[in-house]
Amino acid sequence: EADIYQTPRYLVIGTGKKITLECSQTMGHDKMYWYQQDPGMELHLIHYSYGVNSTEKGDLSSESTVSRIRTEHFPLTLESARPSHTSQYLCASSEGDRGQGYTFGSGTRLTVV
Amino acid sequence: GQQVMQIPQYQHVQEGEDFTTYCNSSTTLSNIQWYKQRPGGHPVFLIQLVKSGEVKKQKRLTFQFGEAKKNSSLHITATQTTDVGTYFCAGPRRAGANNLFFGTGTRLTVIP
Repeated sequence: EADIYQTPRYLVIGTGKKITLECSQTMGHDKMYWYQQDPGMELHLIHYSYGVNSTEKGDLSSESTVSRIRTEHFPLTLESARPSHTSQYLCASSEGDRGQGYTFGSGTRLTVV
Repeated sequence: GQQVMQIPQYQHVQEGEDFTTYCNSSTTLSNIQWYKQRPGGHPVFLIQLVKSGEVKKQKRLTFQFGEAKKNSSLHITATQTTDVGTYFCAGPRRAGANNLFFGTGTRLTVIP
């Protein structure tokens, strides 16, 4: 079944650690996105990609990096986690202009202690 | 910068009452999308509106895109407990862009 997967679902990590949040989709979508969302709040774009080897920064891109080596895989890396990074991270993909909207993963809830 | 505001921020209704959330953009949008996020869940795409003045219906949900393509609304008739969640509108961050700028959201609570 075509879907988008995020791992881990929950993560508690110490300050200063390097972490990578995984996102994979099986829909063959060229476009993928990372959003950050605090509980009950709006979504903020962190990074996006329109295809392999194409990545762009969003509105909250500082302190994180992404890569897009394969169409289906779009990992997000925090080089040095801080308590201010505590949030939910949502990965999404889309076909672009087909009017089908984004398909979101279930998210990773990150807590930095 | 671009802003997409939604009102109200919160809405509590009795089951069976109607509900409306309004979305207002500081810039003209080529299209607007609506998403629903259940408590503890992830946003789920509901619909996209493209044309000025467009109205679309999905069962008890009615979506409208303003004539100036700067505002939109979502109206739910006779709410049910399954309608609980936060409703977000979203528009392209820039003209022609595929990445979206999400609104502030309206959290709906339905009292049985």
